[in-house]
Amino acid sequence: DGGITQSPKYLFRKEGQNVTLSCEQNLNHDAMYWYRQDPGQGLRLIYYSQIVNDFQKGDIAEGYSVSREKKESFPLTVTSAQKNPTAFYLCASSTSPWSPLHFGNGTRLTVT
Amino acid sequence: GENVEQHPSTLSVQEGDSAVIKCTYSDSASNYFPWYKQELGKRPQLIIDIRSNVGEKKDQRIAVTLNKTAKHFSLHITETQPEDSAVYFCAASGAAGGTSYGKLTFGQGTILTVHP
Repeated sequence: DGGITQSPKYLFRKEGQNVTLSCEQNLNHDAMYWYRQDPGQGLRLIYYSQIVNDFQKGDIAEGYSVSREKKESFPLTVTSAQKNPTAFYLCASSTSPWSPLHFGNGTRLTVT
Repeated sequence: GENVEQHPSTLSVQEGDSAVIKCTYSDSASNYFPWYKQELGKRPQLIIDIRSNVGEKKDQRIAVTLNKTAKHFSLHITETQPEDSAVYFCAASGAAGGTSYGKLTFGQGTILTVHP
């Protein structure tokens, strides 16, 4: 839907386990982003990538890792080092840093 | 890096009134300022954007103004309707060569409620 797909919609994990969130886009966009959304805190940037095989840390990268081996894919791994991983995660893509973002439908991660 | 502050956090208006949401940014090199609307349970969607070489942009009932000197930009919604009720986010993206290049930094969001 909309060219960018996140899966799964809901994800449950036990504390101490790593978990990977999927993000795939067929929009041929160069740039991809991962945001975390918590109530009252807006959208906070975790990682972003402007081109294949390159990515940069955002504002809250600690406890997360990413890869960008293919243009259309930008998976996010939430590691056990992330102290408060329960949140709503949004993936987005754009043609450039100064173009509109296209968001996926998000993944709600619950860690207990 | 870039810091974007958004006010107010909540805004309640009567149908037909105007609504104004304000944002300030810290990186003077930022040059792209989009606004997103997020309805309950849905993904954020772009409603309007403005670039640093433009002072104002309008699209029907929505307008955005930019003051580069003061480093603030605002969203104006006129003749509000109940379907305008949503969370609105401002954002700023840095220019090439700046510390915020490639990053789109969002404000904290404004919950707009339009009462019929």
